[in-house]
Amino acid sequence: QITLKESGPTLVKPTQTLTLTCTFSGFSLSTSGVGVGWIRQPPGKALQWLALIYWNDEKRYSPSLRSRLTITKDTSKNQVVLTMTNMDPVDTATYYCAQRLNGPIDYWGQGTLVTVSS
Amino acid sequence: QLVLTQSPSASASLGTSVKLTCTLSSGHSGYAIAWHQQQPEKGPRFLMRVNGEGSHNKGDGIPDRFSGSSSGAERYLTISSLQSEDEADYYCQTWDPGMWVFGGGTKLTVL
Repeated sequence: QITLKESGPTLVKPTQTLTLTCTFSGFSLSTSGVGVGWIRQPPGKALQWLALIYWNDEKRYSPSLRSRLTITKDTSKNQVVLTMTNMDPVDTATYYCAQRLNGPIDYWGQGTLVTVSS
Repeated sequence: QLVLTQSPSASASLGTSVKLTCTLSSGHSGYAIAWHQQQPEKGPRFLMRVNGEGSHNKGDGIPDRFSGSSSGAERYLTISSLQSEDEADYYCQTWDPGMWVFGGGTKLTVL
């Protein structure tokens, strides 16, 4: 059974750096083809892809947010970490991690709401 | 540029069928897509992958009422025998090695 769970702060202040951790089970991020990514959803709005890391450590970022994002993986801990710098109130959203094996997203985490406010 | 376009809303009556559409941008008509369902106050769930030639592969436990098809640059999600729990937002998603792309979502209301 594949599960993913996001963890991190629920409240961050403007200009701070957000660090989110995705802890997963039921698959290995060392298996060829596997990728784990991050997606966010502002309240009442659509899904927005942020970043993606593959089994071979290749990383991809949303062009519009590339300068603020870093994605890393710890295969031994079954974790993927996303950092986003210089947080702003417009970054308030539910942040999801998700897994892909060969193409589309196959499994989603439950999401974690992050509010940016002073 | 790889873009997915969805109608913002759709509605259909309980027990009937509805067909949702996701349109791929010019030059990308051969791409496969995925459909994801997001029920109110819940996270998204993978429904199925729809390939360019029209075949589809559903996720675990997805009822037979859900099916997918294709025509040209359009990818479809058909839900038959609509139930109240089908009232949700439906997102299409596509990918290439460099990115994931989401459509704007369709809010389905079951009347």
